[in-house]
Amino acid sequence: DVKVTQSSRYLVKRTGEKVFLECVQDMDHENMFWYRQDPGLGLRLIYFSYDVKMKEKGDIPEGYSVSREKKERFSLILESASTNQTSMYLCASSLPQTGGEGYTFGSGTRLTVV
Amino acid sequence: DAKTTQPPSMDCAEGRAANLPCNHSTISGNEYVYWYRQIHSQGPQYIIHGLKNNETNEMASLIITEDRKSSTLILPHATLRDTAVYYCIVRVGNNYQLIWGAGTKLIIKP
Repeated sequence: DVKVTQSSRYLVKRTGEKVFLECVQDMDHENMFWYRQDPGLGLRLIYFSYDVKMKEKGDIPEGYSVSREKKERFSLILESASTNQTSMYLCASSLPQTGGEGYTFGSGTRLTVV
Repeated sequence: DAKTTQPPSMDCAEGRAANLPCNHSTISGNEYVYWYRQIHSQGPQYIIHGLKNNETNEMASLIITEDRKSSTLILPHATLRDTAVYYCIVRVGNNYQLIWGAGTKLIIKP
């Protein structure tokens, strides 16, 4: 069964900490995405990557960075966590030029910043 | 960007057909309609998509009006496991990003 795996389901971090969220996919997909999900707002794109070492800003990149050193792994980094970054974070992957039907999502990481 | 309008919540009795509406009056001629759902504590899951014609797969049917300004997702025999938030998406941004609204929370009642 193909998968997108996020390393943690739940995380609690302190304000100011550097936080790493890890995502691994086993489908050899070129595209990978990081979203955050907040009640009533749906999913909002933070960053995406269409190849190793390539990245593009999404709609809400402020306060975040990403790293993609290997094709299967896409990391989201909160440089200095703040309480307004408390959210559900979802990773997804897809083949290049795929339509909207080709996304596979992980189960999410619920991050609480205290 | 095309936008979608969905009711925030709906109920349906178990075993009945669940009909979830979506309005997308600004859809462009070449934009597809996609449906995903998100069961509690899981990531979104693809259901179905279409352009002009009605579509059916093992999960659901999609009915798109002739003017393409609205569509309906039909779950023919809803079960308790169909309780989820259902997202209608008609805009794929640059680099094939999905642009999400707030969705419809569907509750299937026994």
